[in-house]
Amino acid sequence: DAGVIQSPRHEVTEMGQEVTLRCKPISGHNSLFWYRQTMMRGLELLIYFNNNVPIDDSGMPEDRFSAKMPNASFSTLKIQPSEPRDSAVYFCASSPSDRATEQYFGPGTRLTVT
Amino acid sequence: GNSVTQMEGPVTLSEEAFLTINCTYTATGYPSLFWYVQYPGEGLQLLLKATKADDKGSNKGFEATYRKETTSFHLEKGSVQVSDSAVYFCALHTSNTGNQFYFGTGTSLTVIP
Repeated sequence: DAGVIQSPRHEVTEMGQEVTLRCKPISGHNSLFWYRQTMMRGLELLIYFNNNVPIDDSGMPEDRFSAKMPNASFSTLKIQPSEPRDSAVYFCASSPSDRATEQYFGPGTRLTVT
Repeated sequence: GNSVTQMEGPVTLSEEAFLTINCTYTATGYPSLFWYVQYPGEGLQLLLKATKADDKGSNKGFEATYRKETTSFHLEKGSVQVSDSAVYFCALHTSNTGNQFYFGTGTSLTVIP
């Protein structure tokens, strides 16, 4: 199994630009999570999906952030417009069932907004 | 509510030293407890877990015991290696919060030869 796949691995963009991060969960996993990691705030849950449906998006910082999961094998996290304070490592994770007790993390996307 | 508190880092140890990283939790219901490890430039990986009180999780020489009476899940290793240098996260999961995990802030460990 290839594990959770994220792209791009690194993204550098200018303030005001749109950024789209992508995630392919492990096949058969029906829960997907987006996290943000910074030195200041640590690991923060942004949003998670069960069976492609957003369950809890209370961690999404503001309206500039949006996430979609159009099918079981793909999810996107979009930031529009991006700001320097959005610079962080964004992780996607998946788990195998609605009541799973283990999450599998992708390698992360390091976003730098200048 | 649910939360995890783990000891502040960074922690620096010499090779073969004994390691303890403290973790305490607050939870509604009956949580499962986890330790995840993050090596530089990588995502988090599950290190070990325990799903009920008095269970001991173990892996790669690390172990942690689920102590309900003290609401703790401290990570220990008897003899650390340079390759154990990483950030360690304590986490909990409860079935009454859907599928959400609650992570601690992470503890950075550096092992020097």
